[in-house]
Amino acid sequence: GAGVSQTPSNKVTEKGKYVELRCDPISGHTALYWYRQSLGQGPEFLIYFQGTGAADDSGLPNDRFFAVRPEGSVSTLKIQRTERGDSAVYLCASSLNSGNEQFFGPGTRLTVL
Amino acid sequence: KQEVTQIPAALSVPEGENLVLNCSFTDSAIYNLQWFRQDPGKGLTSLLLIQSSQREQTSGRLNASLDKSSGRSTLYIAASQPGDSATYLCAVEPGGNNRLAFGKGNQVVVIP
Repeated sequence: GAGVSQTPSNKVTEKGKYVELRCDPISGHTALYWYRQSLGQGPEFLIYFQGTGAADDSGLPNDRFFAVRPEGSVSTLKIQRTERGDSAVYLCASSLNSGNEQFFGPGTRLTVL
Repeated sequence: KQEVTQIPAALSVPEGENLVLNCSFTDSAIYNLQWFRQDPGKGLTSLLLIQSSQREQTSGRLNASLDKSSGRSTLYIAASQPGDSATYLCAVEPGGNNRLAFGKGNQVVVIP
């Protein structure tokens, strides 16, 4: 595709439920990043993939959060036992290689009731 | 830990005035610096990327400067237009770790 796409655009769930957020990077981009943005704040880094492997997952807040990129393209961010504090916009970005310009998707707005 | 600060947090200017947005960062050992635009409820649009070896980048009415030694970048938008109203985010990539550290943004309103 022409840009980074993310689905769903909005997700409302109940506390304790499991959610999956999907990211389709720009074709050919080897690096993929997940960030989280709370209202009035800049995005905060969660995890970075180079190819299929998670090169840096130090931004994941706890072990309820997990992300995969099995074929080096699409990535899924998985959140178990969601909490109200997980409510935020989850942004995905990709770049041609690590260290290059990052291009962002429109984000998924997650609301945990 | 890299801290990024953007001043002012919010500003309003009349149409036609030049915009000056400031970004400062605490650790000068950066790989690059990127400026983004974010419209309400939307994702981020990349505006300019400045590599650590560069002093400035220009794209149309936009010019961004980088002074790595003092930990500062400035985004200039010439002859502002109402369509420039948005939040502008500055982000630095600390050397070697491939993650962007963001400021909270400059919220800009251009008054027609």
